[in-house]
Amino acid sequence: TQLLEQSPQFLSIQEGENLTVYCNSSSVFSSLQWYRQEPGEGPVLLVTVVTGGEVKKLKRLTFQFGDARKDSSLHITAAQPGDTGLYLCAGKPLSNTGNQFYFGTGTSLTVIP
Amino acid sequence: ETGVTQSPTHLIKTRGQQVTLRCSSQSGHNTVSWYQQALGQGPQFIFQYYREEENGRGNFPPRFSGLQFPNYSSELNVNALELDDSALYLCASSLERRVFSSGANVLTFGAGSRLTVL
Repeated sequence: TQLLEQSPQFLSIQEGENLTVYCNSSSVFSSLQWYRQEPGEGPVLLVTVVTGGEVKKLKRLTFQFGDARKDSSLHITAAQPGDTGLYLCAGKPLSNTGNQFYFGTGTSLTVIP
Repeated sequence: ETGVTQSPTHLIKTRGQQVTLRCSSQSGHNTVSWYQQALGQGPQFIFQYYREEENGRGNFPPRFSGLQFPNYSSELNVNALELDDSALYLCASSLERRVFSSGANVLTFGAGSRLTVL
């Protein structure tokens, strides 16, 4: 059972288009992180969102944490081929007293030149 | 500042064999977590080591075991390999200041060890 569900699972778009990736859960998280993973590499942290309703921008990427801290979204404006990769949300639910850090199911993005 | 390094990068084993994967944590980090990632999927938490002790375990059988050494490097051992163990095994290090973290700390990942079981 996946604690964090991402949608869509696969996304193929033309260069210059906009897109949004969603990360949803029924659990409340103290914070959520977004990672990007390229083939043959480990995931690399893009951003951490901590406060419900928080919006963070990283160049053309906009991250939002839901008010209830159960969901998050990643919006990319004017996608470029360099944005291609596997996007992962991750976090530790408040109800979890251990240190298990959950990752989402992943969204594989391909930006076609 | 050195990053997380994993070895070997690729290996092929047959069913029933045993494998040991190694991870050197990033300088200054004291915690190592291991993940299994199937192709196109998100990483699944195997376990974490903090101060040389297992500090949390995911839904993996006992034939998955690990160690952390005084220099914070770590090993993942898998016994009695099965075909479904074929995956990318990722090691991530972090700096934790207590046993139960808030989850906001940064995980620094290695490039992984690609295991194929035939």
